[in-house]
Amino acid sequence: IAGITQAPTSQILAAGRRMTLRCTQDMRHNAMYWYRQDLGLGLRLIHYSNTAGTTGKGEVPDGYSVSRANTDDFPLTLASAVPSQTSVYFCASSFLAGVSNEQFFGPGTRLTVL
Amino acid sequence: QQQVKQSPQSLIVQKGGISIINCAYENTAFDYFPWYQQFPGKGPALLIAIRPDVSEKKEGRFTISFNKSAKQFSLHIMDSQPGDSATYFCAASTPINDMRFGAGTRLTVKP
Repeated sequence: IAGITQAPTSQILAAGRRMTLRCTQDMRHNAMYWYRQDLGLGLRLIHYSNTAGTTGKGEVPDGYSVSRANTDDFPLTLASAVPSQTSVYFCASSFLAGVSNEQFFGPGTRLTVL
Repeated sequence: QQQVKQSPQSLIVQKGGISIINCAYENTAFDYFPWYQQFPGKGPALLIAIRPDVSEKKEGRFTISFNKSAKQFSLHIMDSQPGDSATYFCAASTPINDMRFGAGTRLTVKP
């Protein structure tokens, strides 16, 4: 693995179903993030984790949950999907402190909720 | 309500011209201002970033101008090329890495 991987690449899901989007990084970054990207709205932060074992809410956390059991993995779960959660989801990671706050993004997961 | 406002939504520039994208913010806790470039089907990638202690940063053809008192910053792409055609996002981050993005600008550089 080099960088950040996300799975699946795309998914069509029936409303009410549970779905987990997976994210793995191999850069030993402390912090990880989940964003959703919608046309005309840019990227909006859903949840973040500054270190393994801790998580925090971003701008649009409702309907989503995350966990950070270790440094490398940061799954995003939709407990009961709704059509408004149709979006492209990006996972990102960065070092928490230092000169650069650069966030490295994964290739995204395109999710359609019908 | 978006904390970072970006304009224009779309921009068409001739090859060799200058592309200018503007952003404004309200939260004075922001201390890191990056620009990301995104090609279709890909994740965003960092292009250039600035901290508020400087007013300008240049990397190759890309320059960020930063006006702390006006709470505005802009991206200038000199000698724009067709390969620069992409969507550009400005962003602003607090010291705890709470990053807020602008809505994006779709740039098209015509050959």
